Amino acid sequence: EDQVTQSPEALRLQEGESSSLNCSYTVSGLRGLFWYRQDPGKGPEFLFTLYSAGEEKEKERLKATLTKKESFLHITAPKPEDSATYLCAVFQGAQKLVFGQGTRLTINP
Amino acid sequence: ETGVTQTPRHLVMGMTNKKSLKCEQHLGHNAMYWYKQSAKKPLELMFVYSLEERVENNSVPSRFSPECPNSSHLFLHLHTLQPEDSALYLCASSQEASGGEETQYFGPGTRLLVL
Repeated sequence: EDQVTQSPEALRLQEGESSSLNCSYTVSGLRGLFWYRQDPGKGPEFLFTLYSAGEEKEKERLKATLTKKESFLHITAPKPEDSATYLCAVFQGAQKLVFGQGTRLTINP
Repeated sequence: ETGVTQTPRHLVMGMTNKKSLKCEQHLGHNAMYWYKQSAKKPLELMFVYSLEERVENNSVPSRFSPECPNSSHLFLHLHTLQPEDSALYLCASSQEASGGEETQYFGPGTRLLVL
């Protein structure tokens, strides 16, 4: 059964303190891995899609990378407005996404 | 704004009530989805509609009844719900209906409380 596990469950950083979030997956034949950001009381906001090992994508202070077993979301010099829950999902086929539980990121000023 | 709207944003209902959630997408997409998000649990896919046909029913109880009258609108009809159905209900849409790896765009959700 396809599984997506995110770690850590929660992460608290100081403003400017860089770190990484992990998403490990078990899926036969990965066809896409997605990262979303979700603010409290709102729907997930799309960030990145990665399709193959070695692929990297960047957006402002965020960079997503992909290997054959996991993806990392690197956050460089974060600001308080980067505080959110970050969700990882893998495409299972037939329009089905399987989501992880998310990492709740807090950036203290 | 993602181009996916949901109403109402908040809903409180008793277990004997009947209510409906509405989703509308303004992106010209062909596929629409309902998800349930409960505290401390991953998003759970409930239903998938592709070109107005239901293609997925993820073992959802019959007290949840979806309706997709056209490719822009999706409803979730609720009746005789249980307190454990309290959650954030999210609607999403994606471009293609072919099963490709299309990005799903989410609405803001409806926060449902069942008393």
